[in-house]
Amino acid sequence: SQTIHQWPATLVQPVGSPLSLECTVEGTSNPNLYWYRQAAGRGLQLLFYSVGIGQISSEVPQNLSASRPQDRQFILSSKKLLLSDSGFYLCAWSHTSWNEQFFGPGTRLTVL
Amino acid sequence: AQKVTQAQTEISVVEKEDVTLDCVYETRDTTYYLFWYKQPPSGELVFLIRRNSFDEQNEISGRYSWNFQKSTSSFNFTITASQVVDSAVYFCALTGTTSGTYKYIFGTGTRLKVLA
Repeated sequence: SQTIHQWPATLVQPVGSPLSLECTVEGTSNPNLYWYRQAAGRGLQLLFYSVGIGQISSEVPQNLSASRPQDRQFILSSKKLLLSDSGFYLCAWSHTSWNEQFFGPGTRLTVL
Repeated sequence: AQKVTQAQTEISVVEKEDVTLDCVYETRDTTYYLFWYKQPPSGELVFLIRRNSFDEQNEISGRYSWNFQKSTSSFNFTITASQVVDSAVYFCALTGTTSGTYKYIFGTGTRLKVLA
């Protein structure tokens, strides 16, 4: 069976500090991978998606970036965090673009 | 443009009541897929169901049922005999052949509170 891991579970960072969130998927190959952000009490905002190693599409231009160094690894980064980067970050995977997505447990990021 | 509307921001029911969560979508695609996800307080989204645009049969899974009507562009979700464990935020989502590849459109979610 497939599983998806995210870490860390929670993170408190000062404004201007760097960020690195990691997501890994087990039990499948060549998945589509996604990063979403959910602000408190709000819906899901797609940040990045990837259909293969090194292939990243950005949905929202901002101070975040994503990388996919390995088939089942997806990393969300920032060089300098902003207060507005606070939120709940979710990683997800799917077999194809038409299939259901499976979500990780999420990372709660607070930028102070 | 693709759009998913969940007009009900929050619903409160008493345990054992039936409740219907509404989802209305907009798309120009002839082939598209609709989904429902549950987000319990823990935060992780859980997949509930996928429906393609060519299958309008209603589906029942235990206390859950879904009503897909292309004529009204709706994909509503009903929980029968609600339980406290059903308390969560529920999201409806859409993806289609021309929505831009590999991305979903999520609704803003409906928070369901089931009171004991």
